[in-house]
Amino acid sequence: EAGVAQSPRYKIIEKRQSVAFWCNPISGHATLYWYQQILGQGPKLLIQFQNNGVVDDSQLPKDRFSAERLKGVDSTLKIQPAKLEDSAVYLCASGQSYEQYFGPGTRLTVT
Amino acid sequence: KQEVTQIPAALSVPEGENLVLNCSFTDSAIYNLQWFRQDPGKGLTSLLLIQSSQREQTSGRLNASLDKSSGRSTLYIAASQPGDSATYLCAPLFSGSARQLTFGSGTQLTVLP
Repeated sequence: EAGVAQSPRYKIIEKRQSVAFWCNPISGHATLYWYQQILGQGPKLLIQFQNNGVVDDSQLPKDRFSAERLKGVDSTLKIQPAKLEDSAVYLCASGQSYEQYFGPGTRLTVT
Repeated sequence: KQEVTQIPAALSVPEGENLVLNCSFTDSAIYNLQWFRQDPGKGLTSLLLIQSSQREQTSGRLNASLDKSSGRSTLYIAASQPGDSATYLCAPLFSGSARQLTFGSGTQLTVLP
């Protein structure tokens, strides 16, 4: 069974630029999560989808972050414009019941 | 507010030692608890999942225990190896959380050859 796929793996941008991350969950998983992990901390949930609907986006900085899940499968997370404090690893996870499976993450550096 | 604490934040041991990583959480109402491993620059790999009705779960040299009433879980690693060096994260799934994991900050383990 293929795991959660993410791209790109690494991205370096300057502040005020925009960036997008892509996630392809495990086939058949209805729930998809985006997390932000700052160095030295545990992952923090940004947004949770159930199929193509948003379950929780209470911790998503909506003035600069946006996310969508197309047709209940792939998802894209966008940051526009980026700030220095957005430097982190962005993790995508998917799940079907009460267990989550994580992708390799995208390491974003904002200079 | 539901919080998860992991102690110690960092641990360095010689190869071959048995070790215990600790995780505490503020709300005993959980569905389950997962332990993850994270290598530098990589994603999270699930090691063990303990259901709320279970007391422990074992996989190879790893054993995770759960004491829901006291809000504690431990991850025991037997006969540690340099390849075990990584950050270990615990994440309970709190009841009523819409299937959202809450993570601790992790324990960074270094096993010295």
